[in-house]
Amino acid sequence: GAVVSQHPSWVICKSGTSVKIECRSLDFQATTMFWYRQFPKQSLMLMATSNEGSKATYEQGVEKDKFLINHASLTLSTLTVTSAHPEDSSFYICSARDPSSGASFTEAFFGQGTRLTVV
Amino acid sequence: EDQVTQSPEALRLQEGESSSLNCSYTVSGLRGLFWYRQDPGKGPEFLFTLYSAGEEKEKERLKATLTKKESFLHITAPKPEDSATYLCAVQPYSSASKIIFGSGTRLSIRP
Repeated sequence: GAVVSQHPSWVICKSGTSVKIECRSLDFQATTMFWYRQFPKQSLMLMATSNEGSKATYEQGVEKDKFLINHASLTLSTLTVTSAHPEDSSFYICSARDPSSGASFTEAFFGQGTRLTVV
Repeated sequence: EDQVTQSPEALRLQEGESSSLNCSYTVSGLRGLFWYRQDPGKGPEFLFTLYSAGEEKEKERLKATLTKKESFLHITAPKPEDSATYLCAVQPYSSASKIIFGSGTRLSIRP
């Protein structure tokens, strides 16, 4: 399957600082990537859809100014948590689909996730 | 409203004891249903995609089946390394790309 790489795997930051998380598609080009948030023992909640070359589409209730998404190339999307606070501590995961198969509908592949702890 | 419900929430089995995990879904129209495995602190790992009722797919000790209302993930003679959280997700026709996840089943296999 397609490979999606996420970096860093974990990060600890001080309250009030910003943190950037990278998501790369290693062996395919992804015009669309997705960012999820997961709390302990809970499922994945979609935060936003990242579109290459255009603005991200945020889900209801997700603060656009706090969670900045940039999809500057076909293989890289970044999520920046701005002015982080302890309540932003969570597991953040990105995903992407590989459109090169030619199929109109394919499964999504996920990155390894990033554990963010704000102290 | 599109919804995915997984049961049980947690399941503990003895090594070699076969069982099934359930995923019930309610969508306006199903484009596809996915099964993923997630280990602690990791992102979900893709297992299967099912598109239509009656379809079945197998991979090692896992077999996924699909009806019009639910999907089952059957695990045959599980081993401790099969311990993980198994996530079910659906993509409705109303969505061009978004998928909806269930809350998962935490599976634990005792040696």
